[in-house]
Amino acid sequence: GQNIDQPTEMTATEGAIVQINCTYQTSGFNGLFWYQQHAGEAPTFLSYNVLDGLEEKGRFSSFLSRSKGYSYLLLKELQMKDSASYLCAVSDSNYQLIWGAGTKLIIKP
Amino acid sequence: GAVVSQHPSWVICKSGTSVKIECRSLDFQATTMFWYRQFPKQSLMLMATSNEGSKATYEQGVEKDKFLINHASLTLSTLTVTSAHPEDSSFYICSARDNRDYNEQFFGPGTRLTVL
Repeated sequence: GQNIDQPTEMTATEGAIVQINCTYQTSGFNGLFWYQQHAGEAPTFLSYNVLDGLEEKGRFSSFLSRSKGYSYLLLKELQMKDSASYLCAVSDSNYQLIWGAGTKLIIKP
Repeated sequence: GAVVSQHPSWVICKSGTSVKIECRSLDFQATTMFWYRQFPKQSLMLMATSNEGSKATYEQGVEKDKFLINHASLTLSTLTVTSAHPEDSSFYICSARDNRDYNEQFFGPGTRLTVL
């Protein structure tokens, strides 16, 4: 079967760095996405990785290792507005997104 | 950038009535759109895949006669919740896949349905 695992909840301090991990097992792979979702809102796109390595975009970076079925989202210089759920999703062989359950990130002052 | 709209953004209806939600891709064509449902504090649940000009593909456990999907054009898909009941109250989100790039889905802002 297809499976995406990520931690349910994480807590970090404003100004710090946090890494949210995601492991996956899917039938086929056409890329891995990270989305941010604030409560009561639709997800917004953060990053897309299809090749191994690190993609950096401002305070957010995303890493992929296809051989390990592993990705992480790294958030630097955390701000209170970063409190949200972070969703990992893998595009399978049919280009359908397989979703993780999401990681709720709580930022404390 | 690619924009997807949903209408209405929220709706309150009486039990037993039907509610139609529209999902539009505003600046791109989408042969495929997706309908998700999200209950409070839970993750997105894919309900169905909507394909222009053909029948939708429903996920296991989703009643196709209750959640009617019509994808009549390359920019519009509709979800009709028929004979809505309080347990259908949820946040419904659509996404659209750009025909030029299968690798990304663009999300609408969501529709919050409350059934009294």
